Amino acid sequence: EAGVAQSPRYKIIEKRQSVAFWCNPISGHATLYWYQQILGQGPKLLIQFQNNGVVDDSQLPKDRFSAERLKGVDSTLKIQPAKLEDSAVYLCASSPGQKGYEQYFGPGTRLTVT
Amino acid sequence: RKEVEQDPGPFNVPEGATVAFNCTYSNSASQSFFWYRQDCRKEPKLLMSVYSSGNEDGRFTAQLNRASQYISLLIRDSKLSDSATYLCVVNNNNNDMRFGAGTRLTVKP
Repeated sequence: EAGVAQSPRYKIIEKRQSVAFWCNPISGHATLYWYQQILGQGPKLLIQFQNNGVVDDSQLPKDRFSAERLKGVDSTLKIQPAKLEDSAVYLCASSPGQKGYEQYFGPGTRLTVT
Repeated sequence: RKEVEQDPGPFNVPEGATVAFNCTYSNSASQSFFWYRQDCRKEPKLLMSVYSSGNEDGRFTAQLNRASQYISLLIRDSKLSDSATYLCVVNNNNNDMRFGAGTRLTVKP
């Protein structure tokens, strides 16, 4: 079974530029998550989708971050404009359902903002 | 107070040692609990779920104390391959997954 796919794996941009990340979850997984993991910290949930609807985006900085999951499969996360403090690994995860299910993580996108 | 707190370590132990990690959480309505393992520069992977009655998987034992709002992970007979960061994860009532900052373990020969 194919795992969660993410691209790109690495991205370096200058502050105030825009960047987008892509995630393809495990086939059939209804729930998709985007996390931000800053070095030395645990993953922080940015947004959770159930199919193509948003379940929780309370920790998403909506002035600069946006995410969508059209057709309830692939998802993109965008940052516009980027700040230095956005440097982190952006992890996508998926799970078969919501409550109590294991989350399967993709390899992440390592973003460096200079 | 952080929602999920862990001792960051690092824990440096010799092979064969027994090591225990604790994790405390602030939301008494939390419903499910997990331990994830994260190797350096890799993604987190589920190690084990934590059940109310406690559960064991080989050398790993997880326990939950709802009254005191803490979770523990015990690793017996440590192997070099156990070296990693161990993340405590708490799933709140609305399926809001909260991760601790992780406890770093290094097992030495």
